[in-house]
Amino acid sequence: QVQLQESGPGLVKPSETLSLTCGVSGYSINSAYFWGWIRQPPGKGLEWIGNIYHTGATYYNPSLKSRVTISVDTSKNQLSLKLSSVTAADTAVYYCARRNYVSYYFDYWGQGTLVTVSS
Amino acid sequence: QSALTQPPSASGSPGQSVTISCTGTSSDVGGYNSVSWYQQHPGKAPKLTIYEDTKRPSGVPDRFSGSKSGNTASLTVSGLQAEDEADYYCTSYAGSNNLVFGGGTKLTVL
Repeated sequence: QVQLQESGPGLVKPSETLSLTCGVSGYSINSAYFWGWIRQPPGKGLEWIGNIYHTGATYYNPSLKSRVTISVDTSKNQLSLKLSSVTAADTAVYYCARRNYVSYYFDYWGQGTLVTVSS
Repeated sequence: QSALTQPPSASGSPGQSVTISCTGTSSDVGGYNSVSWYQQHPGKAPKLTIYEDTKRPSGVPDRFSGSKSGNTASLTVSGLQAEDEADYYCTSYAGSNNLVFGGGTKLTVL
């Protein structure tokens, strides 16, 4: 059974960098799937952040591209998200998920982790 | 890229059918067979409900069905049950390796 678990600080100061990790168990990240990040501000809808393939190929939401870095560590079977220069608008629940390689749906999701941007 | 358009709310009584629409453009919904739908209960992660416009993952009841006409995709829930009350989100491939979500629809079972 594929399981994903997000982890990282729950509070980040404005202008700093948000850093999260997603540990994957039950499936090798070094496989024919994309791995992605999606976020959801409190009380609002979902927003795609970006995807990464195990080769390191990345694809980002154009609206966030200048501030986002997604990376993968195949030895630890995990992926990471960094979002720089955060503001209160970046406060959200952040999810990691597995995305089908040839299609564009996310079939397994982590439980999500709330990150609050506040001084 | 703009978000896909969904009605903010929908409702129906137990046993009835309800349809939620998801409107995009020829650059996303209408251009690819890539619309997926997610069900999200409060405080929970989204759950894949429909993928590739009309396909249902294993374990999802056949009361859930997807369709598409032009730039509008739809999710129909037949034989509504109390546990179907949730938020529903559509998403579509939007070209150039981009994905776009709809704003979400809150489904209420009366």
